[in-house]
Amino acid sequence: EIVLTQSPGTLSLSPGERATLSCRASQSVTSNHVAWYQQKPGQAPRVLLFGASRRATGIPDRFSGSGSGTDFTLTISRLELEDFAVYYCQQYGSSPLTFGGGTKVEIK
Amino acid sequence: EVQLVESGGGLVQPGGSLRLSCAASGFTFISYWMSWVRQAPGKGLEWVASIKKDGSEKNYVDSVKGRFTISRDNAKNSLYLQMNSLRAEDTAVYYCARPQYLADDAFDIWGQGTMVTVSS
Repeated sequence: EIVLTQSPGTLSLSPGERATLSCRASQSVTSNHVAWYQQKPGQAPRVLLFGASRRATGIPDRFSGSGSGTDFTLTISRLELEDFAVYYCQQYGSSPLTFGGGTKVEIK
Repeated sequence: EVQLVESGGGLVQPGGSLRLSCAASGFTFISYWMSWVRQAPGKGLEWVASIKKDGSEKNYVDSVKGRFTISRDNAKNSLYLQMNSLRAEDTAVYYCARPQYLADDAFDIWGQGTMVTVSS
C-alpha cells in the first residue's frame, strides 16, 4: 500500500498569498496518477486536479499541480476567501487507492 | 445535472448491520465503475470498495473484506453497500463516488454523504 504524507498539516496564510502544499508518497506513483481534492466543512470533497497537473472541469487556473515519482505539489497562486479549506491528495496508480491525511489552509 | 444521493445511514449497535444506497442521475450509470469512500469524524478519506460497470468485479479495502458487500442495480441506477458485523471504527460519513474512467481513478463526482454511527 502506498502511504501519502501531506505537509504541512496546517498552513496559515492571508488572502492574495501563495499556498504551496506537499504530498509525498512512500513509493513511486505509477504514471503520476495523483489527484487533489478540496473539502469545506460539511461538504463532500471536490476534485481539483488529476494526473498530477490536469485541472478538472471548472477549476480556476490559480490552482496548479506538479511533481512526479514520489513528490507532488499543489499550488494556489493567489488565495481567495473561498479557497480556505482542507486539501487532500490521492494516488490511484496502484491498489488500494489511498489518500493523504490532508492540509488545512486557514486564514491568518 | 449529474448527481449522487446517498441514504440509509444511522445509528447501529456494534455487531449490527446496515445497508446504504446511492441513487445516481444525470449520467449513464452502467458506463462507470462506482465506489464508496468514507471519512471518520475529524479524519481523512478512506476508499472502501469499488464495483465494475456490470457488477462482475468487486474490490475492497482489507479492513472491510468479509464484512461489507458492494453491489449495484443498473436498471435502477443504484449503488449499494451492505455492511455487516459493524464495529466502532466503521463510524464515518460514507460517500458514494464515481471514478472518472477506470477502476482505479480520481473521483470526479461525489454524493453528499450519509452518516453511519456504530455505538451501543
